[in-house]
Amino acid sequence: GQQLNQSPQSMFIQEGEDVSMNCTSSSIFNTWLWYKQDPGEGPVLLIALYKAGELTSNGRLTAQFGITRKDSFLNISASIPSDVGIYFCAGPSNAGNNRKLIWGLGTSLAVNP
Amino acid sequence: DTEVTQTPKHLVMGMTNKKSLKCEQHMGHRAMYWYKQKAKKPPELMFVYSYEKLSINESVPSRFSPECPNSSLLNLHLHALQPEDSALYLCASSRTGTAYEAFFGQGTRLTVV
Repeated sequence: GQQLNQSPQSMFIQEGEDVSMNCTSSSIFNTWLWYKQDPGEGPVLLIALYKAGELTSNGRLTAQFGITRKDSFLNISASIPSDVGIYFCAGPSNAGNNRKLIWGLGTSLAVNP
Repeated sequence: DTEVTQTPKHLVMGMTNKKSLKCEQHMGHRAMYWYKQKAKKPPELMFVYSYEKLSINESVPSRFSPECPNSSLLNLHLHALQPEDSALYLCASSRTGTAYEAFFGQGTRLTVV
């Protein structure tokens, strides 16, 4: 079945540093979603990408839809303590009813003030 | 209003109890979802309702029973749960068609004792 490989698994950075994480797949995705989840809370949608090659920003966050449609990147610039959390990529399944999202395993981000 | 509201936030129940989780959204979304999430894992899809009809059941045990009374409400009825069912239960909603962005509630932290 479809899988999303997310890396790195975890990151420990200093406040002010830039962060980059990515999501790859062996199959094509037509949509890429990036979520952030704080402990004990539900995931919050950060950015949605719909077109190959698309580059979209949301404040200090920038995400790109890879041109091959098999990968996506999320960058965070000038990290701050509230960036701490788990970042997930997700995309709709190509099989049957595509209301099912396929999820990466997440990148856990820790920021040292 | 991009809010999905879940109640209760926390629930402790015995293995012989019957309880219900509730979810409400007023974004006019016609797709609603139940997810189960274990610590440090991505959300795992349980059920999808589309236009108030159950469209996906990810082989969930019958001790979990979903209900969609109308386009704004989604319930999850729980009966005879096991301790391994303890998890964060997330409700989400989205538009239908080619819009896949799902908006999540804060979740219900369920503990089965």
